[in-house]
Amino acid sequence: AQKITQTQPGMFVQEKEAVTLDCTYDTSDQSYGLFWYKQPSSGEMIFLIYQGSYDEQNATEGRYSLNFQKARKSANLVISASQLGDSAMYFCAISRDSSYKLIFGSGTRLLVRP
Amino acid sequence: KAGVTQTPRYLIKTRGQQVTLSCSPISGHRSVSWYQQTPGQGLQFLFEYFSETQRNKGNFPGRFSGRQFSNSRSEMNVSTLELGDSALYLCASGSNTGELFFGEGSRLTVL
Repeated sequence: AQKITQTQPGMFVQEKEAVTLDCTYDTSDQSYGLFWYKQPSSGEMIFLIYQGSYDEQNATEGRYSLNFQKARKSANLVISASQLGDSAMYFCAISRDSSYKLIFGSGTRLLVRP
Repeated sequence: KAGVTQTPRYLIKTRGQQVTLSCSPISGHRSVSWYQQTPGQGLQFLFEYFSETQRNKGNFPGRFSGRQFSNSRSEMNVSTLELGDSALYLCASGSNTGELFFGEGSRLTVL
């Protein structure tokens, strides 16, 4: 079975600083996908970034990058130059290859201070 | 390019009733999956459809069902509603490059 662990229930970061949100995973699959989503208080799940297990380079999308360390089974999200609008819940998730059955972590609530 | 559209956005039902939620995926996406989000259980997978076929099913009772139409639109149905079914129901549309995009959700309250 697949499992995602997010050990930081809440985090603070100063505006314009970088922040790393931790995510570790457990899977016996050789091929899998890792996802990060942002959920503001409105409830919408906003896709941030995706990393396939066979991708050798870390995924990046604008200010978001995924620090993928396969041997350590970690997929940390790095947000550079934090903005006030980044305050939200952040979820890490894993899926099997070619499947959209995602297993989510419990989330990290990020608060950006002005 | 339109995103994932879910209707209705909010609804209130009473115990014992049934509800149908609708989801239109991003144009060209053939995969639709459904998730339930509650404060106690977090985000849980309900089912996944691809080209009208259910490809995966989560660990939910038979009261939860779904289907996908030939135009990729999907519906999920919950019969005999219970108080514990109150949740945010999220639909997601899968691209062929592995990304999964969610709609804004349907927030169901069962009284």
